[in-house]
Amino acid sequence: DQQVKQNSPSLSVQEGRISILNCDYTNSMFDYFLWYKKYPAEGPTFLISISSIKDKNEDGRFTVFLNKSAKHLSLHIVPSQPGDSAVYFCAASGASGTYKYIFGTGTRLKVLA
Amino acid sequence: NAGVTQTPKFQVLKTGQSMTLQCAQDMNHNSMYWYRQDPGMGLRLIYYSASEGTTDKGEVPNGYNVSRLNKREFSLRLESAAPSQTSVYFCASKTDNTGELFFGEGSRLTVL
Repeated sequence: DQQVKQNSPSLSVQEGRISILNCDYTNSMFDYFLWYKKYPAEGPTFLISISSIKDKNEDGRFTVFLNKSAKHLSLHIVPSQPGDSAVYFCAASGASGTYKYIFGTGTRLKVLA
Repeated sequence: NAGVTQTPKFQVLKTGQSMTLQCAQDMNHNSMYWYRQDPGMGLRLIYYSASEGTTDKGEVPNGYNVSRLNKREFSLRLESAAPSQTSVYFCASKTDNTGELFFGEGSRLTVL
């Protein structure tokens, strides 16, 4: 049973426009969420995170929104740049006392110049 | 600034052979993880170690064993490799304050 789901395997966006990547989760015990970016032949790198006490976190061009009632989070990239083309994974972690980080299946973003 | 180092980067095995993937981190992190990445499946947690001396199963532990040798090192062992274990394996460690995972560059394993 997939606890963290990214239902869009791929997304194409024009340079300069907004990219919106979505993630849904099923476990209401998750309280910390992260986004990672992965280039081919490299390890994933941390992008941005949000805890369940917030509904928004912003870092430069990247903003993560959390809707706890819908068990949904999204990553907004504005403006999108060709260098943002990568696979994006969302991840979730449970309440204190657990160290499990569960990842989604990833969304491949392509930013068109 | 090494971060998380995995060896080997590439390995080809025959079915039934055994091997160990090594991972070391130099960031003094307590928690370490092993994931596998397969097309369409994302990153799946195999095993993790919350602290030195402890290990726990993740989502897909069958066919694997782990050893937390010390605070720096966390190894993943395949006792009898199967073609279904063909994958890219990633080791990660976690900061104690922010909860961020740092990943190694990955080890590509092919089982024939």
